[in-house]
Amino acid sequence: GQSLEQPSEVTAVEGAIVQINCTYQTSGFYGLSWYQQHDGGAPTFLSYNGLDGLEETGRFSSFLSRSDSYGYLLLQELQMKDSASYFCALSYNTDKLIFGTGTRLQVFP
Amino acid sequence: GAVVSQHPSWVICKSGTSVKIECRSLDFQATTMFWYRQFPKQSLMLMATSNEGSKATYEQGVEKDKFLINHASLTLSTLTVTSAHPEDSSFYICSAEGAQTYEQYFGPGTRLTVT
Repeated sequence: GQSLEQPSEVTAVEGAIVQINCTYQTSGFYGLSWYQQHDGGAPTFLSYNGLDGLEETGRFSSFLSRSDSYGYLLLQELQMKDSASYFCALSYNTDKLIFGTGTRLQVFP
Repeated sequence: GAVVSQHPSWVICKSGTSVKIECRSLDFQATTMFWYRQFPKQSLMLMATSNEGSKATYEQGVEKDKFLINHASLTLSTLTVTSAHPEDSSFYICSAEGAQTYEQYFGPGTRLTVT
């Protein structure tokens, strides 16, 4: 079955840079997405990698290496509002998403 | 645009009763919707894929007779938890397929508590 592992928790201070890793054990997927979810809220789409390499979207960047079965989300210039849970997710030709274990990011002043 | 709503936002029911949760796409049509369950501080677990006008596709381990899904129109999918038990207490989230296969639009979720 599909398995996507993430660190359970990451802490950082405002203005810092943080990297959230995602390792997986599967194949045949289209790409790797990243979602943000605040407590009690709906997940919102952040970034997508269909090809290997780095994708940059403002303060957020995401990276995928299929040969290493690994991806990461990079958050720069951290703000307090970035405190949330972050999930990687693999997309398949059936249009479904399989989510990773999730990482809780806490940003301190 | 691309707003998905869920109703109710929270519900408390007694063990043995059934609960229906609605998921609506407000400003677009959604041929495909998805239902997830999320326990506190855990990931989103895909329960089923709901396709308009056809039977839902359930993930392995999800009881289709317990979690009834109906997608009767392009803007509405419903999840009915039948004969609910305390272990069914969870956060249920729906999503609609976006323009891209990797992007889904999520509803705000429904918190179900079974007493």
